[in-house]
Amino acid sequence: AQKVTQAQTEISVVEKEDVTLDCVYETRDTTYYLFWYKQPPSGELVFLIRRNSFDEQNEISGRYSWNFQKSTSSFNFTITASQVVDSAVYFCALSETSGSRLTFGEGTQLTVNP
Amino acid sequence: KAGVTQTPRYLIKTRGQQVTLSCSPISGHRSVSWYQQTPGQGLQFLFEYFSETQRNKGNFPGRFSGRQFSNSRSEMNVSTLELGDSALYLCASSLGTQLGGGETQYFGPGTRLLVL
Repeated sequence: AQKVTQAQTEISVVEKEDVTLDCVYETRDTTYYLFWYKQPPSGELVFLIRRNSFDEQNEISGRYSWNFQKSTSSFNFTITASQVVDSAVYFCALSETSGSRLTFGEGTQLTVNP
Repeated sequence: KAGVTQTPRYLIKTRGQQVTLSCSPISGHRSVSWYQQTPGQGLQFLFEYFSETQRNKGNFPGRFSGRQFSNSRSEMNVSTLELGDSALYLCASSLGTQLGGGETQYFGPGTRLLVL
């Protein structure tokens, strides 16, 4: 069975600090997909990134970067120079090849204080 | 392109009633998935529809059902509502062309259901 764990329930930082959100996953499949979504207070899940299991290259998009390590089954997300607008709940999710079902982690509430 | 839309946005029902929620996917997307989000259980997959057929199903009782129309719009129905059905119900759409899974799903704003 697949499982996603986000051990950090809440993180609070001051603006301009860097912050890393951890994600650890479990799956028996050799082909799988990992995602990060952002959920602001409005409730809508906003897609941030998709990564397949064969692509371990780290990715950077502006202030966002992702570190995928198959050896430790982790897919961590770093926000550089955080801003108040980054405050939200962030979810890591896993999809196996058996279908489009997403298995989500518990989410990490990030609060960025001015 | 317009995003995923869901109606209604808020709903209050009483125990025992039934409710129907609606979802319109992004134009061109043929797969629609539904998720339930509660503080206790987090985000859980309900079911997925593609080409008017249920393609995948989560672990929910038969009171939860859905359907998809020829224009890819989808509805989900919950019958005999229980207090524990109070949740945010999120709909997501994807192209539906990747049979092996892993397509990016784009979510709507959700419907907040409160059961009294």
